[in-house]
Amino acid sequence: DTAVSQTPKYLVTQMGNDKSIKCEQNLGHDTMYWYKQDSKKFLKIMFSYNNKELIINETVPNRFSPKSPDKAHLNLHINSLELGDSAVYFCASSQRGFTTDTQYFGPGTRLTVL
Amino acid sequence: QKEVEQDPGPLSVPEGAIVSLNCTYSNSAFQYFMWYRQYSRKGPELLMYTYSSGNKEDGRFTAQVDKSSKYISLFIRDSQPSDSATYLCAPPQGGKLIFGQGTELSVKP
Repeated sequence: DTAVSQTPKYLVTQMGNDKSIKCEQNLGHDTMYWYKQDSKKFLKIMFSYNNKELIINETVPNRFSPKSPDKAHLNLHINSLELGDSAVYFCASSQRGFTTDTQYFGPGTRLTVL
Repeated sequence: QKEVEQDPGPLSVPEGAIVSLNCTYSNSAFQYFMWYRQYSRKGPELLMYTYSSGNKEDGRFTAQVDKSSKYISLFIRDSQPSDSATYLCAPPQGGKLIFGQGTELSVKP
């Protein structure tokens, strides 16, 4: 059983389109995250949710909108895609969202904007 | 200046070598230090973590923190081809991980 899963694994789309990435965790964790890994491999937090409530909202364009329908799911919707959005997006979860909690990452979604 | 800096490599070593991976940070508020390992086209996974200064050993891996110089090291003894991955230094703060760029390691048989 995959602990943190993401769909799709690959996403290729045209500039200007709207797309969504879905994430699910079966670990019973309270906190979920979205990270973005750029072409230079830098991983940076975008958002985190604790029990469906937005906790962390980094400086991310408002074209990115996370949604957590329940604590096991965290989706990422991106409007008006731009070339610079091309990256690998990782979902992660942790038990309570404490600073020292281990974060468990999904396999990533590789987004390519043409 | 980024909060966490690592030499991106790539670092190539022969099997059995001792590997030293290093990380520097600028934020004195960091209390915990985590090392994540990321295999190619996979998500990062926690390798080990340490608190404050000193050494922590886990099998072939040793993490070392020197808070006075804001310097963190990860040593791998008897390196194996299966250790080939990117190693990410990631002190957590405020519920999020602050990642370095990672060092790509290749262990040749």
